[in-house]
Amino acid sequence: SQTIHQWPATLVQPVGSPLSLECTVEGTSNPNLYWYRQAAGRGLQLLFYSVGIGQISSEVPQNLSASRPQDRQFILSSKKLLLSDSGFYLCAWASQVAETQYFGPGTRLLVL
Amino acid sequence: DQQVKQNSPSLSVQEGRISILNCDYTNSMFDYFLWYKKYPAEGPTFLISISSIKDKNEDGRFTVFLNKSAKHLSLHIVPSQPGDSAVYFCAASAEGTYKYIFGTGTRLKVLA
Repeated sequence: SQTIHQWPATLVQPVGSPLSLECTVEGTSNPNLYWYRQAAGRGLQLLFYSVGIGQISSEVPQNLSASRPQDRQFILSSKKLLLSDSGFYLCAWASQVAETQYFGPGTRLLVL
Repeated sequence: DQQVKQNSPSLSVQEGRISILNCDYTNSMFDYFLWYKKYPAEGPTFLISISSIKDKNEDGRFTVFLNKSAKHLSLHIVPSQPGDSAVYFCAASAEGTYKYIFGTGTRLKVLA
């Protein structure tokens, strides 16, 4: 069966510090991968998605970036965090041939 | 432009009764719809989906109805249980776009 991992679960970072959140998927190959953010009391905002290694599509202009160095690894990064980057970050995957998307456990980021 | 809308931010239902959560969409290209359940500080859990070629899909206590002409879908939970208390998100995708557009969520509270 497929599983998706995210770490860390919680992160507290000062403004201006860098960020690296990692997501890995097991039990499938060539998945579509996604990063979402849920701000407090808000819906799910799609940040990035990737349909293959090195292929990244950005949905919202911001100071975040994403990379996919391996087939089942998706990384969310920032060089300098802003207060507004605080939120709950979710990684998700979907099969290239199926249509259901599955989410990881999420990372709560607090920027102070 | 909010392509997927959940106009009720919250809903309270008595245990054992029916919960009806609604979702409207504007993009006629959407052909696959999903419902997710989310607890605080956790990733969304997939509940049920429906393709645009169907108007109803049932899985246990959960039934999703799709009205394409009205661009409306609903999730029925019968009977409602206290453990169903969570935020419910609807999502939609269009074939070939790889993206899922989420509504803002409805917080369901099932009263014992």
